[in-house]
Amino acid sequence: GEDVEQSLFLSVREGDSSVINCTYTDSSSTYLYWYKQEPGAGLQLLTYIFSNMDMKQDQRLTVLLNKKDKHLSLRIADTQTGDSAIYFCAETGSGAGSYQLTFGKGTKLSVIP
Amino acid sequence: DSGVTQTPKHLITATGQRVTLRCSPRSGDLSVYWYQQSLDQGLQFLIQYYNGEERAKGNILERFSAQQFPDLHSELNLSSLELGDSALYFCASGRGGKETQYFGPGTRLLVL
Repeated sequence: GEDVEQSLFLSVREGDSSVINCTYTDSSSTYLYWYKQEPGAGLQLLTYIFSNMDMKQDQRLTVLLNKKDKHLSLRIADTQTGDSAIYFCAETGSGAGSYQLTFGKGTKLSVIP
Repeated sequence: DSGVTQTPKHLITATGQRVTLRCSPRSGDLSVYWYQQSLDQGLQFLIQYYNGEERAKGNILERFSAQQFPDLHSELNLSSLELGDSALYFCASGRGGKETQYFGPGTRLLVL
């Protein structure tokens, strides 16, 4: 079955870059997503990448995809205290017109001032 | 603000009871997905509706059911509630095609 793995915790200093890693098992994944969840809040879509891309950049966010190794990463440049949150990696397949998301357990990013 | 609304924000009820959670998708979105977020299971897909029809089922218990109405809002019904049903329930909506999903703020359910 599908599985998405992430490390549970990451701690960085303000101003440094953060790199959050994710591995997935479903080779038919067509889209891979990063969501952010702040305490007591819902899931905010940060960015996504289509499986035929290697990289996507969006302001401070860079997504790298290694399809061969099924490895996805999210790099946050110049990390700020407001970036402290839980980051979820998610994948979606393409079968039968349903795009339900399979999520990792989330990586809790703590930014030290 | 994602444009997806969910009510109520919080719900406290007792074991054995039944509750209904409501979701209104973003304007123009035909798909509604329901997810459960709990400490032990993480975020899990429950069920999807597309334009009023059930499209896919995930790890949804038989005690749970959902429907999508002609105006495209959706309701998730949870019955015979157990302590373990305490969780955050999210709905997400999407359009046809790429199906990027936008999440509502969630309903926090506490079963006592």
